[in-house]
Amino acid sequence: AQSVTQLGSHVSVSEGALVLLRCNYSSSVPPYLFWYVQYPNQGLQLLLKYTSAATLVKGINGFEAEFKKSETSFHLTKPSAHMSDAAEYFCAVSPITGGGNKLTFGTGTQLKVEL
Amino acid sequence: DAMVIQNPRYQVTQFGKPVTLSCSQTLNHNVMYWYQQKSSQAPKLLFHYYDKDFNNEADTPDNFQSRRPNTSFCFLDIRSPGLGDAAMYLCATSRTHTGTTYEQYFGPGTRLTVT
Repeated sequence: AQSVTQLGSHVSVSEGALVLLRCNYSSSVPPYLFWYVQYPNQGLQLLLKYTSAATLVKGINGFEAEFKKSETSFHLTKPSAHMSDAAEYFCAVSPITGGGNKLTFGTGTQLKVEL
Repeated sequence: DAMVIQNPRYQVTQFGKPVTLSCSQTLNHNVMYWYQQKSSQAPKLLFHYYDKDFNNEADTPDNFQSRRPNTSFCFLDIRSPGLGDAAMYLCATSRTHTGTTYEQYFGPGTRLTVT
């Protein structure tokens, strides 16, 4: 079974600092990988996705993530944090075939951005 | 704009009183999902429809049912809500095609309170 692990349930950064949110996946075959963001009392919004094309994926709001097969990782980064980035971030995995697009989510990382 | 709409955004029901949450989509996606998300947790898939085919997750309680009368609408019925069913309920949609995986698009969610 596929799974994702997000290291750090809470991450705090200063405004303007680098954002790094960690995600490692467990799968016998490299899956499709997604990062979603959730603001309070709202649904999930797709930030970016990896679907076996380019390993460096650029998303919305200045975020990007790099797929590293050797490390089974898909960490999310942003060079300079803004106050508006404060939210919960979920990494998710989906099998390439036979999964019916079903997502398995990590436990989430709450990002706090301080002045 | 094409989107996933959930009504109501906030729902209060009494212990044991049946409640229905609704979801509609203008994306014309053939897959629709219902997730339960409790506070500070990842979304948990309850079931999904692939067109008219209903797919229940193995650990979804019988208390939860769903209906999909047409492509655009999907309903979540909770027959006898308990206090433990208080949560955010998220509806999502996706396209699907053999051999590939598409991202899911989420609605804003319905926050259910059980008194």
